[in-house]
Amino acid sequence: EDQVTQSPEALRLQEGESSSLNCSYTVSGLRGLFWYRQDPGKGPEFLFTLYSAGEEKEKERLKATLTKKESFLHITAPKPEDSATYLCAVQGWDDKIIFGKGTRLHILP
Amino acid sequence: EAGVAQSPRYKIIEKRQSVAFWCNPISGHATLYWYQQILGQGPKLLIQFQNNGVVDDSQLPKDRFSAERLKGVDSTLKIQPAKLEDSAVYLCASSFAEQGPFSFGSGTRLTVV
Repeated sequence: EDQVTQSPEALRLQEGESSSLNCSYTVSGLRGLFWYRQDPGKGPEFLFTLYSAGEEKEKERLKATLTKKESFLHITAPKPEDSATYLCAVQGWDDKIIFGKGTRLHILP
Repeated sequence: EAGVAQSPRYKIIEKRQSVAFWCNPISGHATLYWYQQILGQGPKLLIQFQNNGVVDDSQLPKDRFSAERLKGVDSTLKIQPAKLEDSAVYLCASSFAEQGPFSFGSGTRLTVV
């Protein structure tokens, strides 16, 4: 059965303290892996798509990487405005998209 | 480009009542999704449309939930009768093709009391 597991469930960091969020997945053929950011009371906002192992994407303080079994979202020198829930989703060759439960990130000023 | 529009933003109903949510996807997006997001969890797919047709409704509780997409544009999701466990945020999303990524609306927060 296809699965997506995100860790940690919650993470508190000091402003400027870099860290990584993990998304491990099992899927019968990966068509794409997506990262979304979700602020309270809002719908998820698209960040990145990764298609194959070794691929990396960057946007401001965020960098997403992909291996055959997991993806990492690295956050460098985070600011309080980076506080949000980060969701990972995978799409298999059957086109079904499965989301993880997300990581709640809180950046303390 | 206008985003995915959803209404209402909030709805409170009593159990056993019915409720309907509306979604207008991004212009030109053929694929439309309805997701249910329970507090503290990731979105769970309820139904996926490709134009007018249903691609996947395997996780839709068909005894109480129904959805339609008229003319391949707007969509409505209905719950009748509602149960307490239906309390959640209902998110609509759309994409140009069946392959992601897709854009989400702001969601409708449903509270069943």
